[in-house]
Parts: sequence; structure tokens; C-alpha cells
Amino acid sequence: AQSVTQLGSHVSVSEGALVLLRCNYSSSVPPYLFWYVQYPNQGLQLLLKYTSAATLVKGINGFEAEFKKSETSFHLTKPSAHMSDAAEYFCAVTSRGGYSTLTFGKGTMLLVSP
Amino acid sequence: DAGVTQSPTHLIKTRGQHVTLRCSPISGHKSVSWYQQVLGQGPQFIFQYYEKEERGRGNFPDRFSARQFPNYSSELNVNALLLGDSALYLCASTREGQGTSYGYTFGSGTRLTVV
Repeated sequence: AQSVTQLGSHVSVSEGALVLLRCNYSSSVPPYLFWYVQYPNQGLQLLLKYTSAATLVKGINGFEAEFKKSETSFHLTKPSAHMSDAAEYFCAVTSRGGYSTLTFGKGTMLLVSP
Repeated sequence: DAGVTQSPTHLIKTRGQHVTLRCSPISGHKSVSWYQQVLGQGPQFIFQYYEKEERGRGNFPDRFSARQFPNYSSELNVNALLLGDSALYLCASTREGQGTSYGYTFGSGTRLTVV
């Protein structure tokens, strides 16, 4: 069984500040991990993914995430927040191989103030 | 290339009615999955289809059914609608059923409101 825990349903930062969104996973087999962003009234857009290559993964819009097996974490960061980053962010896990599916966390709403 | 397209974008149904949602995957993608996203929650897996075969089913009642057509498009059907079925229904496609390192591409969803 797989699960994802996103710590903090809401995170508030000032424009230009560091963004840190936390994700911890539970998986009985080595996972693939994903971060998606959802803007209001839209679908999900893939930000980045970890598929067992480099543990530090760079994505779109300046976001990156680091896979830490020992901590079962895959936190999302961005050095400097922009107003356009305000959205909901979802961490998701899936197992390798087989007809596996995505298991999502409950999401973290990122609020960016000027 | 067109992304994943879903129709309709919005609809309102009455309790007890039936609804059909449609999804066209990215060209070349053979796998389609359906997710339900209730307000304030992460998406929940409903079905996965690959090469017209059901490959996975989430914890949803039998009122939910789906199918995939030879052109890899898909329909999600929900019978006897309940108020609790109100949600954003997302369709996602990927190249193959296995090897999900490719990631999934999501459509913009269908917002279903049951009154």
C-alpha cells in the first residue's frame, strides 16, 4: 500500500522568499514520486518527477525537489517565490512496474503575498 | 499536439440521474485513468484502462463504470447520482499502462454538480 502525507494544508510566503512544501511517502516498494500544481478551475500540471535517476530533481518554473530515502521525503522547494506561484500543490506516489496508479496527498495551498 | 481533452467542462445533474464524461488522450498515449477530486482533497483513483482493458479499479461503488474505445478515448459513466458525487473528474493519459516513470498528463477536468 502507498500513501502520501503533505504537512500543512496552507503555506504562506512573501514574494521573493523561499518556498518549502513538505511531502512524506510510504511505499512497500521503491517508488516514483511526482509533484503536480493545480491553478484554480484547472487540471493538474506536472512540475517534476523522481524516477530513480538523480535524487535532486529540477522541474519547471524554478522548482526542485530532493528524494531522501532515509527520511522517506520528497520536499518541494523554490529559492524565490513569485506571485504567479500561488496555487495548490500535490505530491503523488506510484510504484514501479505493473499497472500502478497515482496516490495523491491532500494538497498544500501556497499563498504568496506582495 | 493537443493535450488531454475532456468534455463537457461543466454540467449539473439531478440526484438519481446518469452522467457520461468523455476523455481523449494525447496522441500516442494508450493508457487512460480517471480520478475524482472532491473540493479540498487530492484526486482519488477510479479506473485505469490500457488497450481497452480495465487494468485497475479504485474503491468506488459499482455505480461507476468506464470503457476505452479502439481510438483510446474513454468514457466514465456514473449511475444513480448522489450529492456526494459532486466533484471535479480528471482524466489522465500516459504512454503505456506500465512504466509509469513517464508520468501522467491530466486534462482540465469536468466539474460535475449534483443537485
